Amino acid sequence: DTAVSQTPKYLVTQMGNDKSIKCEQNLGHDTMYWYKQDSKKFLKIMFSYNNKELIINETVPNRFSPKSPDKAHLNLHINSLELGDSAVYFCASGHGTGYEQYFGPGTRLTVT
Amino acid sequence: GQNIDQPTEMTATEGAIVQINCTYQTSGFNGLFWYQQHAGEAPTFLSYNVLDGLEEKGRFSSFLSRSKGYSYLLLKELQMKDSASYLCAGDGGSQGNLIFGKGTKLSVKP
Repeated sequence: DTAVSQTPKYLVTQMGNDKSIKCEQNLGHDTMYWYKQDSKKFLKIMFSYNNKELIINETVPNRFSPKSPDKAHLNLHINSLELGDSAVYFCASGHGTGYEQYFGPGTRLTVT
Repeated sequence: GQNIDQPTEMTATEGAIVQINCTYQTSGFNGLFWYQQHAGEAPTFLSYNVLDGLEEKGRFSSFLSRSKGYSYLLLKELQMKDSASYLCAGDGGSQGNLIFGKGTKLSVKP
C-alpha cells in the first residue's frame, strides 16, 4: 500500500556516469515533484510536472532531466554526474497548489 | 524574493510546550506549510495555513499572519518522539512547488 515509492534507495556511482532514479505514486495525484536535500539538510525544489506542464527551477543544471512515461511516474535522469550532485533526492506528489505533498522515502546519491 | 527564515536548532523538555517561528518575505505564496522530518526519513505533512489565525490539530497548532510574513508551529505536551526537524514551507507557483526554509532541529530531552 506504498503511496510514493522510489528506487533505488541508495546509489553510489563515479563522476561522469549517467544514472536514473525512478518514482511512482499510487495516490491518483496529478502533479509530481523532485526535491534535492543537500548535506546541510536544505530541501530545494528541482522540478514540478503535471500532464500539461513541466516547471524547472532555474538553478537546476540541464544535466538533470525529468521523464514522465505516465501520470503515476516521474523519473529523474542525471547525465555526467559531479561530486556536488551527492545528496538525497526526494520525489513527491500532490494535487497542486494548496494541497499537501506526499514524499517518497528518498534516494541517497553518492558520487565518488 | 522568497526568503524563509527559521531558527536552526531548539531544545525543549519532555512534557513542555515549544514554539517554532518562521518568517518569510515573499510575494506569491498561497499559504504556509509545516512538515516534520525525522533523521533519515522523508518529510511528512503537519499543517497548512492559508488564512490568518490559528489552526489546531491535536498536540500541534500552527499560526499564520500574512501581513506580518510570520508563522509559528506550537507543539504541546512534548514527547521524545517529537525530536525531529521542522520545516516551514511556502506554497508557490502554479503547481504548488514548496519553497522550504532550512528547518529547525528540535531536540526533546527527558
